[in-house]
Amino acid sequence: ETGVTQSPTHLIKTRGQQVTLRCSSQSGHNTVSWYQQALGQGPQFIFQYYREEENGRGNFPPRFSGLQFPNYSSELNVNALELDDSALYLCASSSSRGGRSYNEQFFGPGTRLTVL
Amino acid sequence: AQRVTQPEKLLSVFKGAPVELKCNYSYSGSPELFWYVQYSRQRLQLLLRHISRESIKGFTADLNKGETSFHLKKPFAQEEDSAMYYCALSGGGADGLTFGKGTHLIIQP
Repeated sequence: ETGVTQSPTHLIKTRGQQVTLRCSSQSGHNTVSWYQQALGQGPQFIFQYYREEENGRGNFPPRFSGLQFPNYSSELNVNALELDDSALYLCASSSSRGGRSYNEQFFGPGTRLTVL
Repeated sequence: AQRVTQPEKLLSVFKGAPVELKCNYSYSGSPELFWYVQYSRQRLQLLLRHISRESIKGFTADLNKGETSFHLKKPFAQEEDSAMYYCALSGGGADGLTFGKGTHLIIQP
């Protein structure tokens, strides 16, 4: 059983650019959630994907978008990058029924994004 | 709005001493509460959740609905307990986890 993996590990972008982060969920999991963790803060929920559709969203603007693929892997896309987008982006997978996550979320190692 | 508060950014105790990491929450319904831990150079992982009522690595946490608290306790701290601890809340739906800012626990020898 493989755990949650994320790529790339680190990324440097400039303001205004677009970025795509990738996540492979743990075997057997059908739900993926994305979190943003700024320095010195706890992770903040961005959105959740279940059956290839976004079924839950935190307080993030529309320039944060995502995809989930048939194999349950996922992408996080951020357009028009701002300096405040610099953070660690965490992906978590879990198994859920009807998109409601009752089970433990397993986290990936994260992608460190720096916006200059 | 749901919120999780961890009042201590840093907690330093000596090996063998009792440990209590505080967590208070704000939620209108019946939340599910968790403690996640991140050891140095490792990923975030679940330590315990209130519905399982388990003791993991000697840690316990009791949900106090009256005080809206979910404090994490261990009677005798060990050096390997040094880590970042996050309290988190879930409404049970598709709204993800709401995390506190975390407490950095340092166990001194």
